[in-house]
Amino acid sequence: GNSVTQMEGPVTLSEEAFLTINCTYTATGYPSLFWYVQYPGEGLQLLLKATKADDKGSNKGFEATYRKETTSFHLEKGSVQVSDSAVYFCALTLNSGYSTLTFGKGTMLLVSP
Amino acid sequence: EAGVAQSPRYKIIEKRQSVAFWCNPISGHATLYWYQQILGQGPKLLIQFQNNGVVDDSQLPKDRFSAERLKGVDSTLKIQPAKLEDSAVYLCASSAPYQETQYFGPGTRLLVL
Repeated sequence: GNSVTQMEGPVTLSEEAFLTINCTYTATGYPSLFWYVQYPGEGLQLLLKATKADDKGSNKGFEATYRKETTSFHLEKGSVQVSDSAVYFCALTLNSGYSTLTFGKGTMLLVSP
Repeated sequence: EAGVAQSPRYKIIEKRQSVAFWCNPISGHATLYWYQQILGQGPKLLIQFQNNGVVDDSQLPKDRFSAERLKGVDSTLKIQPAKLEDSAVYLCASSAPYQETQYFGPGTRLLVL
């Protein structure tokens, strides 16, 4: 079956530190990959996505590259801000027509001033 | 454009009671999803509609959960009777035809006592 594994949190960083949140996946077929972010008390927001191998998704200073050879989609940001504190979810969908998302368990990021 | 709307935002009930959640997707989005997000976990798909037809309800506990999307627009998810383990956030999402990106509502936080 399909699955997504994320590094466990919380990840605690100081402002302006470099961020990496690891994500690996298992899929039957060729998935599209996503990072969603969930701020406290809110629903999920799409952060970035990549639909094929070697694609790089980017948004708001965050980046992730679709690595087929390592089945990974690690999230990175060069300099985090306090406002980046949230839970980050890695997810995949197979391009099978109905786009069901399979999520990882989420990684909480806490950024201190 | 308006996002996915959900109500209520919070609900507290006692076990064995019934509860209903409402979702209005983004205008023009044919596909509607209901997810259950238990604390500390990623969202899990409960049911997926394409217009007013069910595409996938394999993870829906049909002995107590039901959902409908009668006119292919808004949708209702019901739990009857509720159990303690149903305490979770219930997220609704929608996607445009032939698009894999899902847009999420703010969720309904359910506490069963």
